[in-house]
Amino acid sequence: DSGVTQTPKHLITATGQRVTLRCSPRSGDLSVYWYQQSLDQGLQFLIQYYNGEERAKGNILERFSAQQFPDLHSELNLSSLELGDSALYFCASSVGGVRADTQYFGPGTRLTVL
Amino acid sequence: DQQVKQNSPSLSVQEGRISILNCDYTNSMFDYFLWYKKYPAEGPTFLISISSIKDKNEDGRFTVFLNKSAKHLSLHIVPSQPGDSAVYFCAANGVKIIFGKGTRLHILP
Repeated sequence: DSGVTQTPKHLITATGQRVTLRCSPRSGDLSVYWYQQSLDQGLQFLIQYYNGEERAKGNILERFSAQQFPDLHSELNLSSLELGDSALYFCASSVGGVRADTQYFGPGTRLTVL
Repeated sequence: DQQVKQNSPSLSVQEGRISILNCDYTNSMFDYFLWYKKYPAEGPTFLISISSIKDKNEDGRFTVFLNKSAKHLSLHIVPSQPGDSAVYFCAANGVKIIFGKGTRLHILP
């Protein structure tokens, strides 16, 4: 158990809908990262937050947004969903936000868009 | 364009032998490299890392080698054990972290 929790575990929805994925980092970790893993793809970095502020942005679509709240949990909002958004979404956390920090991953949320 | 490539989608190794997983990268600005291990239905788990100022880092059965001139790194697992069967991701960190697509390692009894 990494100490990072993600809810829900599974999510099935329809095209055009909007969903929210939630992540609680390990106790004491200030950074939260979001990743997408599609079929046959590696982990695609989406976005990083550090202590409530956006720190780095990766391949995140404009239809997607995220935020980190004062209690350090984070939410990833996916809107106008398309079939291609079906994927595993992982959250990770680390103590700080520097490159050498070990990232601890949650178990992931599997999103299926029908 | 894939900046981090793991060209072997899968690898089978006999238990007790050495497993060698390879990773190539294209961006010379990467300065920190990591290996993660992933079991089914779980998130990736950090295994070992190496800074670009080093060419080797060892942690128990796991050793990572970095060849900057060839833009190549490898993970050696010696001896391989059944519990090592998993997907291994190589990652490179520069401005942002980039992961390879992974190599599935099967340890044969």
